[in-house]
Amino acid sequence: DGGITQSPKYLFRKEGQNVTLSCEQNLNHDAMYWYRQDPGQGLRLIYYSQIVNDFQKGDIAEGYSVSREKKESFPLTVTSAQKNPTAFYLCASSRRQVNQPQHFGDGTRLSIL
Amino acid sequence: GNSVTQMEGPVTLSEEAFLTINCTYTATGYPSLFWYVQYPGEGLQLLLKATKADDKGSNKGFEATYRKETTSFHLEKGSVQVSDSAVYFCALSDYNTDKLIFGTGTRLQVFP
Repeated sequence: DGGITQSPKYLFRKEGQNVTLSCEQNLNHDAMYWYRQDPGQGLRLIYYSQIVNDFQKGDIAEGYSVSREKKESFPLTVTSAQKNPTAFYLCASSRRQVNQPQHFGDGTRLSIL
Repeated sequence: GNSVTQMEGPVTLSEEAFLTINCTYTATGYPSLFWYVQYPGEGLQLLLKATKADDKGSNKGFEATYRKETTSFHLEKGSVQVSDSAVYFCALSDYNTDKLIFGTGTRLQVFP
């Protein structure tokens, strides 16, 4: 079955450490997205990519970085510059057309040790 | 700019009760509208969608009608079950980009 795989499901970060969250999709979608979800809140867009080797900042990009070297993969790095990284991170993908729904992975929960 | 407003939760219901979760939007152009559901510890799943005015999206007993005159897309279900307990998100597509604009979510709690 096609879908989006996020790993790991749980991740712990030490102070001053960078961590990378994986997101892989086999839906042949061009567009991919990273969201942050805090308890009791909605989704905030971190970065998105509409095509390989190109990506744009979302609403809360500071302290995060991404790459898009392959169509299937869109890893997110949470850098030490992100002072409050504890959150639930969701990856999504969609066809690159307006009005298309996004398909989500099961998320990665990041916590600070 | 485009935005989505959902009713505050939690919504607490007994099993077999009627459900309405209100969603209103502000948008330019002709967005599509979506409802997503999130079960505890999981990602979002697309529940239903509507692509133009007066369209009715439906799935698993849930329905929502795209009302352009009232800029609304309220989610309804005639008889909820305990298994429907989750957080529900209303969203619209930004007509000029590939991005979705989400509401803040409404938690539904159904008790036996």
